[in-house]
This record gives sequence, structure tokens and C-alpha cells, in this order.
Amino acid sequence: AQSVTQLDSQVPVFEEAPVELRCNYSSSVSVYLFWYVQYPNQGLQLLLKYLSGSTLVESINGFEAEFNKSQTSFHLRKPSVHISDTAEYFCAVSDGDFGNEKLTFGTGTRLTIIP
Amino acid sequence: GAVVSQHPSRVICKSGTSVKIECRSLDFQATTMFWYRQFPKQSLMLMATSNEGSKATYEQGVEKDKFLINHASLTLSTLTVTSAHPEDSSFYICSAAGLGTSDEQFFGPGTRLTVL
Repeated sequence: AQSVTQLDSQVPVFEEAPVELRCNYSSSVSVYLFWYVQYPNQGLQLLLKYLSGSTLVESINGFEAEFNKSQTSFHLRKPSVHISDTAEYFCAVSDGDFGNEKLTFGTGTRLTIIP
Repeated sequence: GAVVSQHPSRVICKSGTSVKIECRSLDFQATTMFWYRQFPKQSLMLMATSNEGSKATYEQGVEKDKFLINHASLTLSTLTVTSAHPEDSSFYICSAAGLGTSDEQFFGPGTRLTVL
């Protein structure tokens, strides 16, 4: 069975400061990892994913996450946050790399940017 | 990216009635659709997986006779909550994957169900 742990339910950060949202997973099979973002009153959107290859993956809006197999982690980072980054962030794991594989989600981290 | 819609966005119903929620893929053919349930401050919990033209596969602990899922076409899946009770009040989210979406699921905006 797979599981995902997001230790921080809420993270307040000042604008332009760096942020790290933590995600740890457990899986008995090959693992594929995802970060989704949910802006207020919107559906979940894929932020970035690790399927294979380079362990450091980046999104188009400055976020990055690193797959660390030894620590079973996939933490999300951004060196300088913006007000528009305020949202709920979900880490998820799948045992398949195709879209029709089911996802197991963490409980989410609410990122609040303080002006 | 591909767009998935849900209707209605909010619904309030009386206990004992049935409620139908629609999930549509607007610009791609969804061979697989997923239905999730999200309680406040909790994670999305997968309820069932449906493939077009086949019976849905339900997760352990989800009553298939209470949560009826139909995936009759490549662009539409419906979730019907039968004989709803206050404990069924929740946020229901669908996602879809299929032809042309490769390794990504696309999520709908969710439906807030309140059962009085």
C-alpha cells in the first residue's frame, strides 16, 4: 500500500522569502510522484511530477522538487514566493506512470503569502 | 491543459433524496475517470475508478449501491449519491485521463454536497 505524509498543514511565508513544503511517501513498488496546486475555488492542477530520470524536477512558475529515494521524500521548494502562490498544495504518489493510474494524496499544505 | 467540468458546483438536498453529479471532459476523450471525496482539512480519498463502457471499480469501504457511477460515454461520467444522509455531506471531485493526456489526470473544480 502507498501513503503520503505532508507534515505541515499550514505554512505562512513572507513575500519574496524562500519556502519548502515537505512530503514523505511510502511505497512497496516503483514510485511516481506529483505535486498538485489548488487555487481558491478552482480544481487541482498539476504543478510538477517525477516519473524517471533526473531527480530534480521544475515547474514553469519557479517551483522545484527533488526525489530523494533514501529519505523517501519529494519536498517542494521555491526560492522566492509571490502573493499569487497562495494556494493549497497536495503531494501525491502513484504506482504507475500513466494518467489512468490511481493517485494517493497527502492531506495538503496551505501556503499563505504575507505581503 | 485539458479541461474537466463538474455540475453542479454546489447542491443542497434533504436527507433521503438522491443527487446526481456530472463530470465532463470538454476537449478530450476520457477513457478513465476517477471520483474522489474530500473532507475538510483532509486528503482526497479515491472512491472509485471508472472506465468507459465498464463497471466502476470501487475502493475498499465505499458502498457501490450508495454511490452509483456511470461512465457511458468518453466525455461524461456521473456519480449518484442515493438516499443521501448528512454524513454524505462532502466535497466530491472527479478527474479524467485518456486519449491525448498521456501521463496526467485532469481534475474538475469539485461539487460541494450538503445534506440537511
